[in-house]
Amino acid sequence: AQSVTQLGSHVSVSEGALVLLRCNYSSSVPPYLFWYVQYPNQGLQLLLKYTSAATLVKGINGFEAEFKKSETSFHLTKPSAHMSDAAEYFCAVSVGGYNKLIFGAGTRLAVHP
Amino acid sequence: GAVVSQHPSWVICKSGTSVKIECRSLDFQATTMFWYRQFPKQSLMLMATSNEGSKATYEQGVEKDKFLINHASLTLSTLTVTSAHPEDSSFYICSAPFGAGDYEQYFGPGTRLTVT
Repeated sequence: AQSVTQLGSHVSVSEGALVLLRCNYSSSVPPYLFWYVQYPNQGLQLLLKYTSAATLVKGINGFEAEFKKSETSFHLTKPSAHMSDAAEYFCAVSVGGYNKLIFGAGTRLAVHP
Repeated sequence: GAVVSQHPSWVICKSGTSVKIECRSLDFQATTMFWYRQFPKQSLMLMATSNEGSKATYEQGVEKDKFLINHASLTLSTLTVTSAHPEDSSFYICSAPFGAGDYEQYFGPGTRLTVT
């Protein structure tokens, strides 16, 4: 069965610092992996996705993630944090023929001046 | 890009009443939609898969008689919470797959349900 583990429920960084949000997955088949961002009281917005093409995936707002099969990881990074990046971030894996998504527990990113 | 809407964005109802939440794909057709539930400061939990023209598929532990799903057209799925209780208070989010291979999900803005 597929699953996702996000390490660190809260991450705090200074504005301008590197952002690193960790995600490890478990899947019996080659996975499709996603990172979503959620602002308070809103739905989810897709940041980026991995679908077995390039292992380094670039997304919106300067985020990128690298698929590492040997480490079963798909960590999300951004070189320089901005105050507007403060939000909840979810890693997800796609399962099943209807592409259901299984989400990790989420990581709340705080950015301070 | 694909847009998914939900209505209402928030609703307050009394215990014992039923509430209907709509999920619409505005600029594309969706034979499948998904319903999620999110408790405060928690992740999204998949409740069910809504299938156009057929019965919904519910995840283990979700009461199908309590959470009625109807997918009557290619652009509309509805979730009805029947005989709502305070423990049903939550944020309900729908999504629909779109794009080549249908592996990308587009999410609605969510509906905040409060049962008093």
